[in-house]
Amino acid sequence: DTEVTQTPKHLVMGMTNKKSLKCEQHMGHRAMYWYKQKAKKPPELMFVYSYEKLSINESVPSRFSPECPNSSLLNLHLHALQPEDSALYLCASSQVWGLEQETQYFGPGTRLLVL
Amino acid sequence: AQSVTQPDIHITVSEGASLELRCNYSYGATPYLFWYVQSPGQGLQLLLKYFSGDTLVQGIKGFEAEFKRSQSSFNLRKPSVHWSDAAEYFCAVGLSGNTGKLIFGQGTTLQVKP
Repeated sequence: DTEVTQTPKHLVMGMTNKKSLKCEQHMGHRAMYWYKQKAKKPPELMFVYSYEKLSINESVPSRFSPECPNSSLLNLHLHALQPEDSALYLCASSQVWGLEQETQYFGPGTRLLVL
Repeated sequence: AQSVTQPDIHITVSEGASLELRCNYSYGATPYLFWYVQSPGQGLQLLLKYFSGDTLVQGIKGFEAEFKRSQSSFNLRKPSVHWSDAAEYFCAVGLSGNTGKLIFGQGTTLQVKP
């Protein structure tokens, strides 16, 4: 089973709202990722967690706050977003982080619209 | 610097026709190469990957890819395209230095004509 699940599928929020995206995997993977994807573009890496610790933050604005409560769960807390943050947010996981040959498995994404 | 190039932004093929999507990479050592497919509004699904060994790799949904070191290419092929193959296809390479990062190409949009 190579399934990564994400909720919600769609989210509409105002610029003053606080919301959270959730990602879950039960493959025993110890690395989890958040990506942002704009239309017709490849995914852009935002954060990497390895063994529940933040390992990479790709200079993401502080209005995005990741959290990894346990090895299966990954959250992305959103606050005071801008309309340009509207995008598809993808979660991914891999067995471990830091190896070139690691295969990342992606979830279906959350389509976010910021009004 | 490492890079991945997908020369074709958009390709249209007729249903039942063969397909080849091009991917060229820039990398000094043996690359770890991936092809992902993304249906509209969906996440990325792994089609196949190449690490070493046999240069012809079989994947899911009837896809295959051939690694050619001399041409720095990893082209994706399918002998007979189905309408459900219409999607965005991304080629990617694992970034060296054990960063765990993927370098993606810009993607190729595949349209299938009835």
